[in-house]
Amino acid sequence: DVKVTQSSRYLVKRTGEKVFLECVQDMDHENMFWYRQDPGLGLRLIYFSYDVKMKEKGDIPEGYSVSREKKERFSLILESASTNQTSMYLCASTSHRASGGYSTYEQYFGPGTRLTVT
Amino acid sequence: AQSVTQPDIHITVSEGASLELRCNYSYGATPYLFWYVQSPGQGLQLLLKYFSGDTLVQGIKGFEAEFKRSQSSFNLRKPSVHWSDAAEYFCAVGPYNQGGKLIFGQGTELSVKP
Repeated sequence: DVKVTQSSRYLVKRTGEKVFLECVQDMDHENMFWYRQDPGLGLRLIYFSYDVKMKEKGDIPEGYSVSREKKERFSLILESASTNQTSMYLCASTSHRASGGYSTYEQYFGPGTRLTVT
Repeated sequence: AQSVTQPDIHITVSEGASLELRCNYSYGATPYLFWYVQSPGQGLQLLLKYFSGDTLVQGIKGFEAEFKRSQSSFNLRKPSVHWSDAAEYFCAVGPYNQGGKLIFGQGTELSVKP
């Protein structure tokens, strides 16, 4: 089974702190994603990566950066945390290659990190 | 514009009753369609997916969904709801690039009455 793990389930940080959220997947997936989830807004894509050292902005990249130095690890960085970044953060991975030569693009999700910025 | 709409923010059904959650999408080609479920405080788990073939797809936990191209819909159904089905349900469509980007709906929260 695919496993996506996130470094923390709950995190409390102060305004202005630098925050690192780590995500690791064990299925050799090329593509990894960071979402934030807020009530009534569903999942919003922050950044995604389709290869090591490659990244693309999602719908709400402001205030965030990412790092992908190894295929299995995708980090989300809040350079200077603010209270409006209090949210649930979800990491996911998928592959555009699969057995049989095609992918069904299903994303596998980690358990989420609930971040509170005070 | 490409989008996913889940018209119902919150639905309450009685245990044992049937369930239908609605999903409408806008997509430029034949889509890949997904339903995910999220229990409180958890990540998302895939219930089922459609990418080709039979338009009625079966998933886990007794759920099924039907792809209707003419209506741009992919509604999720279950004939008899159990209390443990109380959760949030997300419909998603894609992919939007080789990277597999999906667009998610805003979610439908399901409550189950005893």
